[in-house]
Amino acid sequence: EAGVTQFPSHSVIEKGQTVTLRCDPISGHDNLYWYRRVMGKEIKFLLHFVKESKQDESGMPNNRFLAERTGGTYSTLKVQPAELEDSGVYFCASSPQGWANVLTFGAGSRLTVL
Amino acid sequence: AQTVTQSQPEMSVQEAETVTLSCTYDTSESDYYLFWYKQPPSRQMILVIRQEAYKQQNATENRFSVNFQKAAKSFSLKISDSQLGDAAMYFCAYLGTLVNRGSTLGRLYFGRGTQLTVWP
Repeated sequence: EAGVTQFPSHSVIEKGQTVTLRCDPISGHDNLYWYRRVMGKEIKFLLHFVKESKQDESGMPNNRFLAERTGGTYSTLKVQPAELEDSGVYFCASSPQGWANVLTFGAGSRLTVL
Repeated sequence: AQTVTQSQPEMSVQEAETVTLSCTYDTSESDYYLFWYKQPPSRQMILVIRQEAYKQQNATENRFSVNFQKAAKSFSLKISDSQLGDAAMYFCAYLGTLVNRGSTLGRLYFGRGTQLTVWP
């Protein structure tokens, strides 16, 4: 069984540019989560999809961040325009329906904003 | 709000020795889950061990065991017979069941992590 796949593994962009991160969850997992770790700090929750619907997006830092999950499969997280403080590692995780305590994480996408 | 504290940014251990990573948390809930995750360099974060708060018995997974002290809100990870492959960043995490029961929320609260180095 393939795990949670994230792309790109590392992205370096300049302030003001746009970046789109992609997450492919485990097939059949209804729940998809995005988390972020800023260097030296805690991993923090960003949002949670159940299938294609946003269940909880209270962790999204501001309206420069847009997450989508078309068709309830893969998800994208777009940052536009990127700011220096957006640098960090963005983790995606997925879990089956009703099993929120069994999250499987991806390797993360490292974003560096210069 | 729930908080998780890992007071050791870095730890090191000699191969074959034992090391303990500390974690404390703050919550007003009585039922919850606690986790230790491991992230090797440039690889995915994987679950090491999980503890349900209603269980008094400490969880164990092969060389990994926890010391769960509910009253003290402490959840330390002990790695026995350390191996080179244990070198990684270790994260302690909390999941409240008030949002978990009957719903699919999975909002984990993490500590800042402990970087473990294993010396040959």
